[in-house]
Amino acid sequence: AQSVSQHNHHVILSEAASLELGCNYSYGGTVNLFWYVQYPGQHLQLLLKYFSGDPLVKGIKGFEAEFIKSKFSFNLRKPSVQWSDTAEYFCAVNSYNDYKLSFGAGTTVTVRA
Amino acid sequence: DVKVTQSSRYLVKRTGEKVFLECVQDMDHENMFWYRQDPGLGLRLIYFSYDVKMKEKGDIPEGYSVSREKKERFSLILESASTNQTSMYLCASSSPPPGQGSETQYFGPGTRLLVL
Repeated sequence: AQSVSQHNHHVILSEAASLELGCNYSYGGTVNLFWYVQYPGQHLQLLLKYFSGDPLVKGIKGFEAEFIKSKFSFNLRKPSVQWSDTAEYFCAVNSYNDYKLSFGAGTTVTVRA
Repeated sequence: DVKVTQSSRYLVKRTGEKVFLECVQDMDHENMFWYRQDPGLGLRLIYFSYDVKMKEKGDIPEGYSVSREKKERFSLILESASTNQTSMYLCASSSPPPGQGSETQYFGPGTRLLVL
């Protein structure tokens, strides 16, 4: 199974600040990459995913992520956060043709108004 | 909209009890999954199923079993609950069938289980 590392456990920032969450994975083959988000009291839901094509992927709510194959990374970014972006963010990976996901430990993001 | 429902939001059980957690999805998905979510550990896969009556172990199957008698329902069973099984349990489903791997998983609201 792949291992997934999320560098930050808890990030605190002010509204309008830029956000970047790191994600690295260990698998050397073809991978599918995901970011999921869990807002307080809500279900875990997909933010964005990459499986082929343009390595810069745009998701919901102004989020984007860039797949850098040489660095085994899939970092999540948002140029200007809002209070409503307060949530826990999970990076997940699976290898091509394997539907089992490996999740990172998660990063809690707190946005102060 | 895909809907994944779990039978309970909160559950309190005693050590040694048999515990059933049920999950139902309404989108005719082939794949269903059970995870547990613990702080600092993220989500860890317990079991998954890619078809009725089919099941495969995930990364942490010890102490758990599953049942999938109907396509829409996937049950997680704790044969004899222990305190180290206190956790948040998440069910998920996905489609299309295995072989692509890029499909989105849809999650239920979770069951927070406390074993005393």
